[in-house]
Amino acid sequence: EVQLVESGGGLVQPGGSLRLSCAASGFTFSSYWMSWVRQAPGKGLEWVANIKQDGSEIHYVDSVKGRFTISRDNAKSSLYLQMNSLRAEDTAVYHCARAYFDLWGRGTLVTVSS
Amino acid sequence: QSVLTQPPSASGTPGQRVTISCSGSNSNIGSNTVHWYQQLPGTAPKVLIYSNNQRPSGVPDRFSGSKSGTSASLAISGLQSEDEADYYCAAWDDSLDGWVFGGGTKLTVL
Repeated sequence: EVQLVESGGGLVQPGGSLRLSCAASGFTFSSYWMSWVRQAPGKGLEWVANIKQDGSEIHYVDSVKGRFTISRDNAKSSLYLQMNSLRAEDTAVYHCARAYFDLWGRGTLVTVSS
Repeated sequence: QSVLTQPPSASGTPGQRVTISCSGSNSNIGSNTVHWYQQLPGTAPKVLIYSNNQRPSGVPDRFSGSKSGTSASLAISGLQSEDEADYYCAAWDDSLDGWVFGGGTKLTVL
């Protein structure tokens, strides 16, 4: 089955760190750009970052530059998001998504609160 | 404030045709293809239309997309109760070097 499954979310204090993972299956992971997209409670979708097939090109939304790092391991068909210096406004469900978002995971909830 | 502008809400009765607009600029819709997503309550988004007007397999032909200049539209004909959802447009933005989404349109079937 073609799917993306995220993990690693949870409750973290402001200033803390968290690492999200996304396990891909059912397709050739190494052939696709991959992204992280988040959705704050009751809000719309916001693209966070993406990474090229071989990891040679990466882009971030301005609000996370310098704090978040996207990476991938094609041998493990996995996508990662290292999140540092977390803020309350980073609270959201984080989805991994393929290419132009033709495939989404269910998401993992990140809550930043003291 | 989203880079792509969508109406916050839309509505229609069963069987009607509704359209949802998505307005952008030369750096996003004007230069790149537009994609549309449907998000049913409590679920992950699902691609509805890709590359302006292409339907993935399994998406009913009641859904159609179009693009002209720096704007795009999603049309839903023969509205059904199960179409009640949030709809988002998205495009790559060459100036921002990133993906941008519309703020979303909540569709209500009366």
